[in-house]
Amino acid sequence: EAGVAQSPRYKIIEKRQSVAFWCNPISGHATLYWYQQILGQGPKLLIQFQNNGVVDDSQLPKDRFSAERLKGVDSTLKIQPAKLEDSAVYLCASSHDGQGREKLFFGSGTQLSVL
Amino acid sequence: DQQVKQNSPSLSVQEGRISILNCDYTNSMFDYFLWYKKYPAEGPTFLISISSIKDKNEDGRFTVFLNKSAKHLSLHIVPSQPGDSAVYFCAVINYGQNFVFGPGTRLSVLP
Repeated sequence: EAGVAQSPRYKIIEKRQSVAFWCNPISGHATLYWYQQILGQGPKLLIQFQNNGVVDDSQLPKDRFSAERLKGVDSTLKIQPAKLEDSAVYLCASSHDGQGREKLFFGSGTQLSVL
Repeated sequence: DQQVKQNSPSLSVQEGRISILNCDYTNSMFDYFLWYKKYPAEGPTFLISISSIKDKNEDGRFTVFLNKSAKHLSLHIVPSQPGDSAVYFCAVINYGQNFVFGPGTRLSVLP
């Protein structure tokens, strides 16, 4: 079974530039999550999708971050414009139905450095 | 407001000995708990979980203990192996059905 795919693995940009991350979840997984992991901290949820609808985006900085999941499969997360404090690993995860009691399957993440 | 705390940023253990990683949570309404392991440059992977109706769950060398009255969770690894060296995250399912992660503990198992 293929795992959660993410690209790119690494990205270096200057502040105020834009960046986009891509995620392909495990086939058949209805729920997709984007997490931000800052060095020394645990993953923090940015947004959760159930199929192509948003379940929770309460911690997404909507003035600069946006995410979409077209057709309920792949997802993209965009930052525009980036700030220094956005430097982090961005993790995509998926689960079968997101009803709790389900373990998350994570991709390898995208490490973003904002200079 | 930290809902999940892991007060030891790092832990070193000799190979073959027991590793004990601790986690504290703030809300007694949390009822499902998980441990994830993360190697460098990889995403976290699920290790073991426990429901609040249990106080212990065992899977091979890994055992998770839950003390609901103390709102405390621990992961025991016996015997510890060098391949267990990783960052371990405690996670809870909160009332919004979201996963909330602790800050992690870096375990180093020394040969």
